[in-house]
Amino acid sequence: EIVLTQSPGTLSLSPGERATLSCRASQSVRSTYLAWYQQKPGQALRLLTYGASSRATGIPDRFSGSGSGTDFTLTISRLEPEDFAVYYCQQYGSSPRTFGQGTKVEIK
Amino acid sequence: EVQLLETGGGLVQPGGSLRLSCVASGFIFSTYAMSWVRQAPGKGLQWVSTISGSGGTTDYADSVKGRFTISRDNSKNTLYLQMNSLRAEDTAVYYCAIDRFCSGGSCYSEYWGQGTLVTVSS
Repeated sequence: EIVLTQSPGTLSLSPGERATLSCRASQSVRSTYLAWYQQKPGQALRLLTYGASSRATGIPDRFSGSGSGTDFTLTISRLEPEDFAVYYCQQYGSSPRTFGQGTKVEIK
Repeated sequence: EVQLLETGGGLVQPGGSLRLSCVASGFIFSTYAMSWVRQAPGKGLQWVSTISGSGGTTDYADSVKGRFTISRDNSKNTLYLQMNSLRAEDTAVYYCAIDRFCSGGSCYSEYWGQGTLVTVSS
């Protein structure tokens, strides 16, 4: 199965700053079938992007995904207070679907 | 508005059984594959099982194959996960999710429930 490694484990930033989250796959992800999710305590997971770069319904344009092959990135252009959360990448190019271990974006 | 509500979690002894339910609303339930994904305390996410919209096709993670059974009742808009022979390592929050797109048996999920906690301990 494909192993996804996210970095950094924790990102300490201030509101208004740019966040860059990395997701590296142990082998190439077919057809850029990679998604990003946001998780906040006590809330349902929220799909942010799929197909590496397509934003899900209702997701603000400050969230953008990019990448291909084995290297993918989620960028939050200007952090809003509600963006401080844990972010997970997930590949669905091969079975079983697998997730990264998460990156926590915390307030500096 | 899409809603997914999981119930049925709780404390169970090793070797015991539990059935989780996920009641769905706000979309045409029978047209979507559904999945269960779990998250052990303080850990990341792990896919558990998927069922097609009709219920005719199912898939399981190796770690639960032969112990867990996924099913659905489209007349009740409800997804189930029957968990038998439970182990300590099955302790997790279990989420149900709507699979939006699948390729080669692997999917991404568009909407998720808030989860139900299963604790396996003596």
